[in-house]
Amino acid sequence: ETGVTQTPRHLVMGMTNKKSLKCEQHLGHNAMYWYKQSAKKPLELMFVYNFKEQTENNSVPSRFSPECPNSSHLFLHLHTLQPEDSALYLCASSQRPAESTDTQYFGPGTRLTVL
Amino acid sequence: AQSVAQPEDQVNVAEGNPLTVKCTYSVSGNPYLFWYVQYPNRGLQFLLKYITGDNLVKGSYGFEAEFNKSQTSFHLKKPSALVSDSALYFCAVRNSNNFNKFYFGSGTKLNVKP
Repeated sequence: ETGVTQTPRHLVMGMTNKKSLKCEQHLGHNAMYWYKQSAKKPLELMFVYNFKEQTENNSVPSRFSPECPNSSHLFLHLHTLQPEDSALYLCASSQRPAESTDTQYFGPGTRLTVL
Repeated sequence: AQSVAQPEDQVNVAEGNPLTVKCTYSVSGNPYLFWYVQYPNRGLQFLLKYITGDNLVKGSYGFEAEFNKSQTSFHLKKPSALVSDSALYFCAVRNSNNFNKFYFGSGTKLNVKP
């Protein structure tokens, strides 16, 4: 689990704040992912980056803005969020995103609360 | 459309007894199936996967899963449960047309009582 780290682990923000979530992978992987986990719901894929290029945006509202400056780092910039955006945000990485055998490895998540 | 169903929100089992966590799937094309476990305040940890070959897949911590194509199931099993196995378990299927996309079930909470 230490292969993918996320900071901060907990974040409380108001609806007018701007904050960023950070993810770093130490596994030499080529793809990175953002997921949203809400209680008793399936994980929702938000964004995918392959080799630093965004390849998926799963109809995510524009108040979430991802950034991938290199293959080891991924950010999620947050602004004017809504209370329903409160959730656990998980980052994942994988090595061979074009192959069926590829496995995603997850970070511990950031627990976000929007007041 | 591709999807995963975990029909049980919660499974209770006594320590030392066998456990089964159920998963059924729906895919167009070949199924690529995964199990993950999530401990409290932690991310998801990979347990095992089925891509092709032997229908019985062995994974971490003594877990195994059986792929059954006719029943479109991929149930997670362990012969003897431990209290430390108590956690949230997620089944997932990879989109066979877009390997980046996983479809996760809503999770099953496993409670193992001493």
